[in-house]
Amino acid sequence: NAGVTQTPKFRILKIGQSMTLQCTQDMNHNYMYWYRQDPGMGLKLIYYSVGAGITDKGEVPNGYNVSRSTTEDFPLRLELAAPSQTSVYFCASRQGESVTEAFFGQGTRLTVV
Amino acid sequence: AQSVTQLDSHVSVSEGTPVLLRCNYSSSYSPSLFWYVQHPNKGLQLLLKYTSAATLVKGINGFEAEFKKSETSFHLTKPSAHMSDAAEYFCVVSDGAGRRALTFGSGTRLQVQP
Repeated sequence: NAGVTQTPKFRILKIGQSMTLQCTQDMNHNYMYWYRQDPGMGLKLIYYSVGAGITDKGEVPNGYNVSRSTTEDFPLRLELAAPSQTSVYFCASRQGESVTEAFFGQGTRLTVV
Repeated sequence: AQSVTQLDSHVSVSEGTPVLLRCNYSSSYSPSLFWYVQHPNKGLQLLLKYTSAATLVKGINGFEAEFKKSETSFHLTKPSAHMSDAAEYFCVVSDGAGRRALTFGSGTRLQVQP
């Protein structure tokens, strides 16, 4: 019953540091997504992937990179952390288009100081 | 392009009274619509979904929503609020085109007063 697993749950970074947020799912879903949620706001799409080897930008991709070498894993990389990247990050997966719901991880709370 | 507007950022009700959370959408295609709930410091949980079958959709915990194409609305209702319903609620649209992603509304925070 693992579903979508994100690590770490919390992290504090200094400006300019790098880190990778991990996301893995065990449901054999093709689609995976990274969203960020700022206080009082909805979720904004950072990057998404429709299958291994395929990634594409969302609404707010600047400052982030992703890769999708396997169906299960979809890590999100922050190269030079900035205070504007302080947020809660959610990974999600979905079987296919349109009619299927997404399953979300528990989130990673990132603070950049 | 698809978009979602949640008409109220905050809704406050008394326990035992009805809940109405309003959502309007815009989609170039036949949309799928979802309501998710987020309890404080938790992830997102699916409440219900509309996928072009019945227009009245029943979800978990007594919630339901009605898809009205003519009004481009998908309002969430519950006959009687419970204290445990206090949370953030997100209306979400997916039209299966373009980025094949889910587009979120800005959320409605539901407060339930004793």
